[in-house]
Amino acid sequence: AQKITQTQPGMFVQEKEAVTLDCTYDTSDPSYGLFWYKQPSSGEMIFLIYQGSYDQQNATEGRYSLNFQKARKSANLVISASQLGDSAMYFCAMRGVDSSYKLIFGSGTRLLVRP
Amino acid sequence: GAVVSQHPSWVICKSGTSVKIECRSLDFQATTMFWYRQFPKQSLMLMATSNEGSKATYEQGVEKDKFLINHASLTLSTLTVTSAHPEDSSFYICSARHLGANTGELFFGEGSRLTVL
Repeated sequence: AQKITQTQPGMFVQEKEAVTLDCTYDTSDPSYGLFWYKQPSSGEMIFLIYQGSYDQQNATEGRYSLNFQKARKSANLVISASQLGDSAMYFCAMRGVDSSYKLIFGSGTRLLVRP
Repeated sequence: GAVVSQHPSWVICKSGTSVKIECRSLDFQATTMFWYRQFPKQSLMLMATSNEGSKATYEQGVEKDKFLINHASLTLSTLTVTSAHPEDSSFYICSARHLGANTGELFFGEGSRLTVL
């Protein structure tokens, strides 16, 4: 069975600083995908970044980067130069190898950016 | 980018009535859509996988007769909450897989907040 764990219910960061949101996962599948989504208070889910299990390099998308440590089964999200608009819930998710492409989500981390 | 739209965004209904929520992929075809449920301050829990032209696949513990899913076309899936009760009040959010997205990312609708009185 697949499992995603986010151990930080809430995080604070000062504006313009970097912050790391933790995510660990467990799966027996050799091939999988890891995702991070942002959910503002309005409720929509915004895709941020993707890391494939066979990708050799850590994924980066603008101010977002994914610190992928396969041996430790961790996929932490790093947000650089935090902005006030980054305040939101952040969810780590995993997709397995089955053809359904369904995502399993972690419990989420609420990030508050302080001015 | 791919757009998924949900309707209605908000719905309030009386206990015992049925409510239908629509999920549309506006600029792409989605053979597979997913329905999630989210309680306040909690994560998204997958309810079912909706496949165009076939029966939905429900996750363990989700009542099939309670949450009816229909995926009649490549751009529309509907979730009907039958005989709604206050405990069905929740945020329901759909997502669709865009075949053109090579990462397999899902595109989400805006969500529908259901309140059952």
